[in-house]
Amino acid sequence: EADIYQTPRYLVIGTGKKITLECSQTMGHDKMYWYQQDPGMELHLIHYSYGVNSTEKGDLSSESTVSRIRTEHFPLTLESARPSHTSQYLCASRRQGLAGGGGEQYFGPGTRLTVT
Amino acid sequence: AQKVTQAQTEISVVEKEDVTLDCVYETRDTTYYLFWYKQPPSGELVFLIRRNSFDEQNEISGRYSWNFQKSTSSFNFTITASQVVDSAVYFCALSEPGSARQLTFGSGTQLTVLP
Repeated sequence: EADIYQTPRYLVIGTGKKITLECSQTMGHDKMYWYQQDPGMELHLIHYSYGVNSTEKGDLSSESTVSRIRTEHFPLTLESARPSHTSQYLCASRRQGLAGGGGEQYFGPGTRLTVT
Repeated sequence: AQKVTQAQTEISVVEKEDVTLDCVYETRDTTYYLFWYKQPPSGELVFLIRRNSFDEQNEISGRYSWNFQKSTSSFNFTITASQVVDSAVYFCALSEPGSARQLTFGSGTQLTVLP
């Protein structure tokens, strides 16, 4: 069973505020991911990490930033929230597959962000 | 470029009916992996199955079964005797071996099972 946690689960915040979405996993996975998803729609990769001190931008341009100081922790920060940031944010980590690419990703419960 | 197509945006069935969700993929890799995930209304994605490109055997897990056909680049998912709890969005995904980005997701199929 996957152990990956996200807090908060729901957040309503005003425009211009700085927010950090937390993601932690206890499985020792090296690779972690952040996705943005409108309800029931396609997932868009916004950030990923190979391991500690390694982060990369994903396919969808995002004004958010991430850090990876510890293996188990991969927080996402928005310096100045805007209504266009309203979405669900899903964090995932990956088990190493037998051939290096086949490990499935395990997802956290998500954070539903609303910026007013 | 990798691509996953789930042509069925929404499907509605009555409880106990069988339903098949289609997934067609494109890849130039000879080694790749396919996945199915379930996203219930609560929002989290639940991993259902992984299949590698060298294993074309169909798989059955309870009421779930998967049909992988390389000849048609398809990886379809069938739910037998559907239940209301099966209502969710289902995503098919394809992996990129050797890349940390790894997963390319389809756009998802919303399945509604009516009582």
